[in-house]
Amino acid sequence: NAGVMQNPRHLVRRRGQEARLRCSPVKGHSHVYWYRQLPEEGLKFMVYLQKENIIDESGMPKERFSAEFPKEGPSILRIQQVVRGDSAAYFCASSRDRGQNTGELFFGEGSRLTVL
Amino acid sequence: AQSVAQPEDQVNVAEGNPLTVKCTYSVSGNPYLFWYVQYPNRGLQFLLKYITGDNLVKGSYGFEAEFNKSQTSFHLKKPSALVSDSALYFCAVSSGNNRLAFGKGNQVVVIP
Repeated sequence: NAGVMQNPRHLVRRRGQEARLRCSPVKGHSHVYWYRQLPEEGLKFMVYLQKENIIDESGMPKERFSAEFPKEGPSILRIQQVVRGDSAAYFCASSRDRGQNTGELFFGEGSRLTVL
Repeated sequence: AQSVAQPEDQVNVAEGNPLTVKCTYSVSGNPYLFWYVQYPNRGLQFLLKYITGDNLVKGSYGFEAEFNKSQTSFHLKKPSALVSDSALYFCAVSSGNNRLAFGKGNQVVVIP
């Protein structure tokens, strides 16, 4: 039973380019979360999605960042016109359906974005 | 709003000694509390959780944590630390709304 799969594991972009990070949740999980981890800091919540819906995007920067979780396929975190401050590790997590939800999140290995 | 405080940046402990990593929380309503561990360049791994029931929770790799409602704490403990326990430990809290708020993490260094 595969866990949360994230790709790419490492991504290098130049300032102004676009970064796309993909996340496939645990099979059977329909809740996906994105967190950002900056050096020397903890994990900061960005967005919570269910299939085809954004439930909570209160942690997302207002500009350049977007997320989706389509009916088919992985969840995508998209960062447009990247800047050096976007360099971070981006973690995706998933959880079970609400009726079976015990609260814990299952994390992927992360995607490490470096902006030159 | 929910939040977690992990007051120490780094915890150093000799191998074989007891290990404690501190966590206090703030949340509206009943807390759902979690500990995760992160090894270098890896994702977070779940250690244990408190939802309801006994205040002392046992988890993976010999870790346990004690929920203290009056002190709003959920300290992580291990009776005898191993060198392989050296990692970054995160405490997290939610109010059952599927959104976990994490502390900044504690680096644990177990000295051989």
